[in-house]
Amino acid sequence: DGGITQSPKYLFRKEGQNVTLSCEQNLNHDAMYWYRQDPGQGLRLIYYSQIVNDFQKGDIAEGYSVSREKKESFPLTVTSAQKNPTAFYLCASSRVPTYQETQYFGPGTRLLVL
Amino acid sequence: QQPVQSPQAVILREGEDAVINCSSSKALYSVHWYRQKHGEAPVFLMILLKGGEQKGHEKISASFNEKKQQSSLYLTASQLSYSGTYFCGTEDYKNAGGTSYGKLTFGQGTILTVHP
Repeated sequence: DGGITQSPKYLFRKEGQNVTLSCEQNLNHDAMYWYRQDPGQGLRLIYYSQIVNDFQKGDIAEGYSVSREKKESFPLTVTSAQKNPTAFYLCASSRVPTYQETQYFGPGTRLLVL
Repeated sequence: QQPVQSPQAVILREGEDAVINCSSSKALYSVHWYRQKHGEAPVFLMILLKGGEQKGHEKISASFNEKKQQSSLYLTASQLSYSGTYFCGTEDYKNAGGTSYGKLTFGQGTILTVHP
């Protein structure tokens, strides 16, 4: 079955630690996105990638980094510079990066700070 | 600037109808609607495009008033499974001089609760 997988489901971060969230898709989609969701809030865009080896900052990129070395993979690193990382992180993909395309979401990773 | 959804919350009995609205201060290319159950990923419901085209589930209906920069989602004969938080996502003309990147800005959500 085609879809998006995210791992781990829960992730704990210690102070000063960088952590990486995995996102993999087998839909052959060009575009991938990372969103952050805080309790009772909507989704906010962190980074997006239109194509392999290319990505752009979204609305809240500070304290995060990404890479897009393969079409199917778009990992997100939460760095120690992100002072309030506790949130639900959602990865999404779409066939092509345009307003006409549906974005499909992965199951999410919940990040907690120890 | 994120779109504004109204109402913030709705409580229904099974079989009742509801309308959820999404308004933007900017001209829009499209409006995307999603439903999210607690702790789960958002699930796609519908896209409404400038010019009138719609893509989505047959049992869901929605409208897109381009002039007013508003969209409404119509939930009729509600079922228990309709419960969840509904989000609209929009992309406006401002993005990179008219080039679309699928860069959605989401509203704050409308919580829908359906009781037996």
